[in-house]
Amino acid sequence: DAGVTQSPTHLIKTRGQQVTLRCSPKSGHDTVSWYQQALGQGPQFIFQYYEEEERQRGNFPDRFSGHQFPNYSSELNVNALLLGDSALYLCASSPTENTEAFFGQGTRLTVV
Amino acid sequence: DQQVKQNSPSLSVQEGRISILNCDYTNSMFDYFLWYKKYPAEGPTFLISISSIKDKNEDGRFTVFLNKSAKHLSLHIVPSQPGDSAVYFCAASAGSQAGTALIFGKGTTLSVSS
Repeated sequence: DAGVTQSPTHLIKTRGQQVTLRCSPKSGHDTVSWYQQALGQGPQFIFQYYEEEERQRGNFPDRFSGHQFPNYSSELNVNALLLGDSALYLCASSPTENTEAFFGQGTRLTVV
Repeated sequence: DQQVKQNSPSLSVQEGRISILNCDYTNSMFDYFLWYKKYPAEGPTFLISISSIKDKNEDGRFTVFLNKSAKHLSLHIVPSQPGDSAVYFCAASAGSQAGTALIFGKGTTLSVSS
């Protein structure tokens, strides 16, 4: 049973560019959340998707947007990249009935 | 304003001894708490959780204690093993049902020496 998979694993972008990160949830999970983990910090909640809609959002600007597809996979888009967006981006999936999130290995984004 | 605090950035323990990792929270709405372990280049892995209706939950070598009045929880690992060396994150949510965001602390790096 495949767990949560994310692609790509590493990415280097230039300031001002746009980036799309992808996530496939664990089998049987229909809820996908995205987190940003800066160096030396804990993961910080960006937003959560359920039934193809954004259900909850953390304190992140509108440059951060997402999408969930009918097969429950998800994308995170970041526009107008800033140097401060450099971080590990984690996708987590969970089943409908509880909040025990299973995390992917993350995408390391470097903005130069 | 940090709602979940792990005030010890690091902890060193000898193999076979007990490791105690601490976590404090400020939001009274939190009623579900989780511990995650993270190795380098991997995503966090769920370890153990506890609901606010309990004060203790045990799973093998891992036990989590919750003191609601003090807004404090701790993770005990007995006996500690070198493979336990990792970063441990405490997380909290206002509810155990799906749809509630997890709020994480900054983590504590545990080093277990043989």
